[in-house]
Parts: sequence; structure tokens; C-alpha cells
Amino acid sequence: QVQLVQSGAEVKKPGASVKVSCKASGYTFTDYGICWVRQAPGQGLEWMGCISPYNGNTNYVQKFQGRVTMTTDTTTTTAYMELKSLRSNDTAMYYCGRDRGGISPHWGQGTLVTVSS
Amino acid sequence: DIQMTQSPSTLSASVGDRVTITCRASQSISRWLAWYQQKPGKAPKLLIYKASNLESGVPSRFSGSGSGTEFTLTISSLQPDDFATYYCQQYNDFWTFGQGTKVEIK
Repeated sequence: QVQLVQSGAEVKKPGASVKVSCKASGYTFTDYGICWVRQAPGQGLEWMGCISPYNGNTNYVQKFQGRVTMTTDTTTTTAYMELKSLRSNDTAMYYCGRDRGGISPHWGQGTLVTVSS
Repeated sequence: DIQMTQSPSTLSASVGDRVTITCRASQSISRWLAWYQQKPGKAPKLLIYKASNLESGVPSRFSGSGSGTEFTLTISSLQPDDFATYYCQQYNDFWTFGQGTKVEIK
């Protein structure tokens, strides 16, 4: 069965970077994109962008351009999302999802990133 | 960018009630709309895609309708497991989520 398993919680200081991983299994990794969504405490869902493991093509939300980098490692079937220059309002749960034509029926369990001095 | 607006933000209802949530897009998205259910501390769960298609395994009391800019999610008879927050998502032009509708116990 399709599984996405994310890395554990992180605590970072303002200005630092964080790299969250998403290990995929149960399907052919290069057949589906991986998208990242975040959710600040008590807030709604915010799409960050997607990456195609097939060719590495990415689409990022404008507000994260220059701060976010999404990559994949096809040998380990793992996707990564790195966010730089962290600020307090980046504190959120970060989810990876498997893209199926623009929707995501499969999600990771979420990774809590806390940014605090 | 396409904006998605849900209403209401909060809905109080009882078990057995028929519940309707509305989602409006800032421009036409054809039928490229999905609905998700999210419970506290959990990832979203896909309910409906392409406006009205029920995802496999989702109870038939959930239904979706609409096209263009106006969409609805209906729960025909609210069950205890349905108290949660619901989000619409457009995928006509990348992704955008609505702000969410919390369905709470009346």
C-alpha cells in the first residue's frame, strides 16, 4: 500500500534552514509528483509547491520563491523540502502528499517545524 | 492567483442533520475542485475530486456538486465521525485551498 513517512519534528532558530524528508513506498516513485502543504497552528492548509520525481521539475508558490527548494532522490524514493531563512511565522506542520492529477489521496503524517529563538 | 472562499467558517449541527458547505472560486475552475476532511492532528483525507466524484472508500452520505465558480459539499445525514474541518481545493491552476469550515456539535 502507498505510504509516505516523514522525518521527525524540528526546532530551529530564526534565520536557520530546515530540511524535511518524505520517504515513499508502495508504488513507482517516479510515476507521481510529490506536493508539500503546510498548516500553521490553528490555521488552514497552504500549498507550497510540487516536484516531479521523474524529471525534477518543480512548481513553487510565489511567496516561497527563493526560500524553498524541493528535491527528490530516486535511489531512496525520498522527497525533500528545504526552507531557508526561517522566521517565527514558518512555525507549522508540514505535510507531503502524492499528487494524482492535482489532488492528493495519500499524505505523510506531518512534520512539526518550530521556529523559536 | 485563484482565491477560494468557503462559507460558513463554522457550522453547528446535530447527528442526523443534512449539512451543506459552499466554496466559491475567484474565477472559473471548470470542475477541478476537491474536498478534504481534516481532524485535529491528522493529515487531510480526500473525500471528493473533480467536483462530484467520490473517492474510493468514502461513505456515500458525502456528495459534491457545482462547476465554474460555485461548489457545494453535502453530508446527507451527519454522523459522529463527521465532526471535523472541511477544505475545498482548486487544481485548475496549481493548488489553492479554501480557509476551511469547522463542523461542530450543536
